[in-house]
Amino acid sequence: GENVEQHPSTLSVQEGDSAVIKCTYSDSASNYFPWYKQELGKGPQLIIDIRSNVGEKKDQRIAVTLNKTAKHFSLHITETQPEDSAVYFCAASRGSGGYNKLIFGAGTRLAVHP
Amino acid sequence: EPEVTQTPSHQVTQMGQEVILRCVPISNHLYFYWYRQILGQKVEFLVSFYNNEISEKSEIFDDQFSVERPDGSNFTLKIRSTKLEDSAMYFCASSPTGPEKLFFGSGTQLSVL
Repeated sequence: GENVEQHPSTLSVQEGDSAVIKCTYSDSASNYFPWYKQELGKGPQLIIDIRSNVGEKKDQRIAVTLNKTAKHFSLHITETQPEDSAVYFCAASRGSGGYNKLIFGAGTRLAVHP
Repeated sequence: EPEVTQTPSHQVTQMGQEVILRCVPISNHLYFYWYRQILGQKVEFLVSFYNNEISEKSEIFDDQFSVERPDGSNFTLKIRSTKLEDSAMYFCASSPTGPEKLFFGSGTQLSVL
């Protein structure tokens, strides 16, 4: 069945370092890959997404890369700041139409130490 | 900025009781979802709703669960007879375009005793 694996489960970095979180997906028909950030006591918030016709997308300090052949995608955060500390979830779906669901990874707890 | 609102933020109930979790999606959104997250685990899909009907549901969403959009603004999740294992954070989400750009509420923490 559909599955998204996410690694690592926890990640601890020093402020200013980079952080990389990796995901793999099983459904070859997946073509939409969002990343969500969940802060304590809040719902997940979309921070960046990528579609399968694009290999890389960047938004300021965050970037996402996609390797469709290998069914891998990754989140890269550069120059990390303490406010980046949160749980990050990757997800995959077959895209728009309302009839397909987001499948989430298990989450990565990122801690950025000052 | 428009947001998805969920009430209550916390709900404690006895096993076997019915609960209704309420959500107000973003006003111009057409697709609505319920997800749940058991403490420390991944966010799990429960059900999607579009055009006043369920478009997809997971194995978790059995006969004890139902959803309703009783008016133009609310979207509710009902659990008829709660079990201990229903204890989780329940998130409502809405989207203008389907399973992309989902906006999540802050969740309802359901505790079944």
